Order: sequence, then structure tokens, then C-alpha cells
Amino acid sequence: NAGVMQNPRHLVRRRGQEARLRCSPMKGHSHVYWYRQLPEEGLKFMVYLQKENIIDESGMPKERFSAEFPKEGPSILRIQQVVRGDSAAYFCASSPVTDSEAFFGQGTRLTVV
Amino acid sequence: DAKTTQPNSMESNEEEPVHLPCNHSTISGTDYIHWYRQLPSQGPEYVIHGLTSNVNNRMASLAIAEDRKSSTLILHRATLRDAAVYYCILRGNAGGTSYGKLTFGQGTILTVHP
Repeated sequence: NAGVMQNPRHLVRRRGQEARLRCSPMKGHSHVYWYRQLPEEGLKFMVYLQKENIIDESGMPKERFSAEFPKEGPSILRIQQVVRGDSAAYFCASSPVTDSEAFFGQGTRLTVV
Repeated sequence: DAKTTQPNSMESNEEEPVHLPCNHSTISGTDYIHWYRQLPSQGPEYVIHGLTSNVNNRMASLAIAEDRKSSTLILHRATLRDAAVYYCILRGNAGGTSYGKLTFGQGTILTVHP
């Protein structure tokens, strides 16, 4: 059973471009969580999705950021019109149910130049 | 979200046991106690979790106080690869105060000396 797969591992975007980060959860996991970690800072929750539904988006910036987890395919975190402050590591996690252990991917390191 | 309190940092010598404490005095009856760790430049890694009883797995042991207001992660023999930030997190199911998401605090930075 492959772990949580995130791609790309590294992504460079110019200011104003769009960034799309993908997360394929572990097989059988229907709960997906996205986190952001700024350089030298802690992990901040962004959004929690369960197949086709956004359960909790309390950590998502109100503008430019969106997330989806379609019935088929990976979860996508989309950042429009990126700015330098979006440079960070973005981690995705999945779990089979809400109170069990969560498994994290290796992250996507976004650099905005 | 129910809050946890951990020491900022701890140090250990290789091959010695390490006891990482966590206080969670506002824990609710439906909250599980989870521990994760993050090695440098990697994603967080699940370590162990429990509800009321002490738990053991291949990585560590989790000792939970009888009143559930504190817990201790025990690494029986620290190795250099155990150097990481350790996070104690409360996670609940629907209806609990910590439903779904994991809320990471600052964690405890564990340094292991050879």
C-alpha cells in the first residue's frame, strides 16, 4: 500500500502565476487534510476534505486559495496569483476515519520568485 | 480546539530512554491523544495514539494518566534518528472538541547526543 503521494515535490512559480499541488491519499482513505509550513515555523492547518465535500476550511486564506477532492482522482490545492509570501512547504495527510492516525506525504515545496 | 502544553526542548543521550511529557487538562471524553514527529525536511510521521489505556507499538510507548489530563511518550532507547520535533495532539471524532483535523502546537525539539 503506497503512502500518501504528493506532487510535485518542488514547484517554482513566478509572482502572479497559478500553483496546483496534488495529493493522492492512501488507498481506502476518504479524509484528506492540507497543512502549510512557512520557513522556520510550525504546521498550520488549512483545510479538511472528505470525498467531494469541504468539511473544515477555517485555515484557508479567504482569497486566492481553493481546495477540492473529487470523487475520482487526487485532491488539489490551488493557489491563484501567487505572491512571495506563499513560499512554503505544503503537506497533505489522509486518514480512513476522523479519529485514527493520519499519514502525511513528503510535501510540496513551493518557491515563488 | 483542546490545547496541549509541551516543553520547548529536551535532550537525551543515545541508547537512553526518553520521556516526553504533555499536559492536556481540558481534554474531553471523546478526544484521542496522538503523537507525531517531524524529522528535518520531512513530513510529519505518526508515532502512537491512545484513548485511556497505555499503548505500545514498535516505535514507542504512550503512558496516559488516570485522569487523562497528561500523557508521556516514551522512547525506550533513543537513537540519533529519533532527533525530531515531537507533537502531542488531541484528536476527536464527531461531536468532540477536536473533530477531524490535527492542530499542531510548537512541539518539543528532541536533541539526541551520541
